[in-house]
Amino acid sequence: DGGITQSPKYLFRKEGQNVTLSCEQNLNHDAMYWYRQDPGQGLRLIYYSQIVNDFQKGDIAEGYSVSREKKESFPLTVTSAQKNPTAFYLCASSFRRSETQYFGPGTRLLVL
Amino acid sequence: GENVEQHPSTLSVQEGDSAVIKCTYSDSASNYFPWYKQELGKGPQLIIDIRSNVGEKKDQRIAVTLNKTAKHFSLHITETQPEDSAVYFCAASGFLGQFYFGTGTSLTVIP
Repeated sequence: DGGITQSPKYLFRKEGQNVTLSCEQNLNHDAMYWYRQDPGQGLRLIYYSQIVNDFQKGDIAEGYSVSREKKESFPLTVTSAQKNPTAFYLCASSFRRSETQYFGPGTRLLVL
Repeated sequence: GENVEQHPSTLSVQEGDSAVIKCTYSDSASNYFPWYKQELGKGPQLIIDIRSNVGEKKDQRIAVTLNKTAKHFSLHITETQPEDSAVYFCAASGFLGQFYFGTGTSLTVIP
């Protein structure tokens, strides 16, 4: 099956802890994105990558970090510097920049 | 940057009636406008999209219209069914290839 997978479905973070959210796609897409979704709000862009080994900050990058070592994978790390990390995190990919984005099922991050 | 406004935030319709959701955008360079449907606890799913070189696009019970002069676009769902109940997001493309999303419309179809 082709698609975008995210893991885990739920993730719990302790105070001062870094956590990493996984995103994998087998659609052969060049571009990948991370969004944060809070209740009653739209999707806000955290980071995006147009090509392997390159990524750009989105509107709310502070407290987050990413890597793009492989075309298929774009993991997001929520660092301890992110003081309000509780949210639903969505990964997306597109064939190229400005093309249709397809979303994964999301990871819900909760703080203990 | 681009600013996308979406209305209404909530919408309730009787089964079989039509539903209309409207979005406005600010960047005249935007040229691609997708619509997504998100069910509870899931990722958004693309349901229809439109590019700036057309004014209307239909796919069965779903249609999207675009008015580039007025910078607004709308989603129309006809003959609504209970399974249409979800949150719908509009989006507009940005100059650098990113997308700007509206704040969502929670649609409830009452059987």
